[in-house]
Parts: sequence; C-alpha cells; structure tokens
Amino acid sequence: DGGITQSPKYLFRKEGQNVTLSCEQNLNHDAMYWYRQDPGQGLRLIYYSQIVNDFQKGDIAEGYSVSREKKESFPLTVTSAQKNPTAFYLCASSMRDRDYEQYFGPGTRLTVT
Amino acid sequence: GQSLEQPSEVTAVEGAIVQINCTYQTSGFYGLSWYQQHDGGAPTFLSYNALDGLEETGRFSSFLSRSDSYGYLLLQELQMKDSASYFCATSGNTPLVFGKGTRLSVIA
Repeated sequence: DGGITQSPKYLFRKEGQNVTLSCEQNLNHDAMYWYRQDPGQGLRLIYYSQIVNDFQKGDIAEGYSVSREKKESFPLTVTSAQKNPTAFYLCASSMRDRDYEQYFGPGTRLTVT
Repeated sequence: GQSLEQPSEVTAVEGAIVQINCTYQTSGFYGLSWYQQHDGGAPTFLSYNALDGLEETGRFSSFLSRSDSYGYLLLQELQMKDSASYFCATSGNTPLVFGKGTRLSVIA
C-alpha cells in the first residue's frame, strides 16, 4: 500500500536537546512538506521541498532544519534554538504540480520539558 | 500577505445540511482546497476548486466564487462521523496556506 509514514507517534525530549522526526513516503511524490499544528490552530508550514537536494523555508522555519537526500525521505530536526517546540508535527507529500492535494502522515506529537 | 477566514465552530444535527464558509485574501490565487481532520488524526484531502461553481463528491460539495474571494464546503445528510475539523486552504504562486479550521460538531 502506498502511503506516508512518520515515526515515532509520540516523542518526549528535554529542553536543550535536538530531535529528529522521520518522514517517509512511497507515493513517488516529488514534493514534501513539514507543518506544525498547535491546539485550535491551522497548519503552519515549516519547510518544503519540491525536488531532491533542494528545500525552501516556510513561514516558521526558525529553529528547524531539514534535508532531502532521497526522494522518499524528508526528516525534520527540531533544534534547541526553537523557542516553543512542543506541538503536533505533520509531514505531507504531493505531486509537484498538485500541491493543493496533499497526503499527510499520521503525525508526531513532540513534548519538550 | 495571505489570510483565510472561516468560523471557528459549527454545530449541526444528524441528517441535516451544514455549510462551512471560507473567505480569503491571496495573491496569485489558483484555487481553494478543503481538508478534513478528526481529533488526533491526519488531515485528509476532500476537494479542490479552481473554477467558479459547485463541485459535488457524494455527500460533500464545494463551491468557489473567485470574484468574491469566497468558497464553502457543503455537507449533506450529516452523520456523527462527520464531526471533525475542516480546513480551507488556498493554492497559488506560494505554497498552500491553510485557514485555522472550523470544528464541526454533529449532534443527535
């Protein structure tokens, strides 16, 4: 079955630690995205990538980093510079010219204390 | 900048019809998408309107008026499982921008 996976579902970290969230897709999509969702809020774009070895900052990229070494994978690192990292993180993918139709992974809920 | 406005909450009775409105201000607008998200779950794509008019997919329909910068999602024959958050999102010459969502509660 084609789909997009994120791991882990729940993640707990201490303040000051970097943490990397995994995102893998087997939909053969060129484009991948990372969003952050806070309670009662919409999805805010952190980073996106339309092709391997290239990515762009979204609206809230500060304190985050990404890489896109393979078409299938788009890991997100939440660094210690991110002031308020506790949130629900969603990864998505789409065909490059159909960004209006994105397929989402199940999300990772990160708690930093 | 870009902004979308949609009601934060809507309540409707099982079996009824509900309309969720969305107004937007977007430069380089291409179209309007709708997504559904159940609590704790992932958003799922429902529909996309690039042209004015109504698009129907089963119990769900979506409408767009480009001249009014306005769209809506219409849910018919409401079922309890339709209780979820619904997001409109604009596509254009920038990445997809999402509204803050409308929480729909379906009551018996």
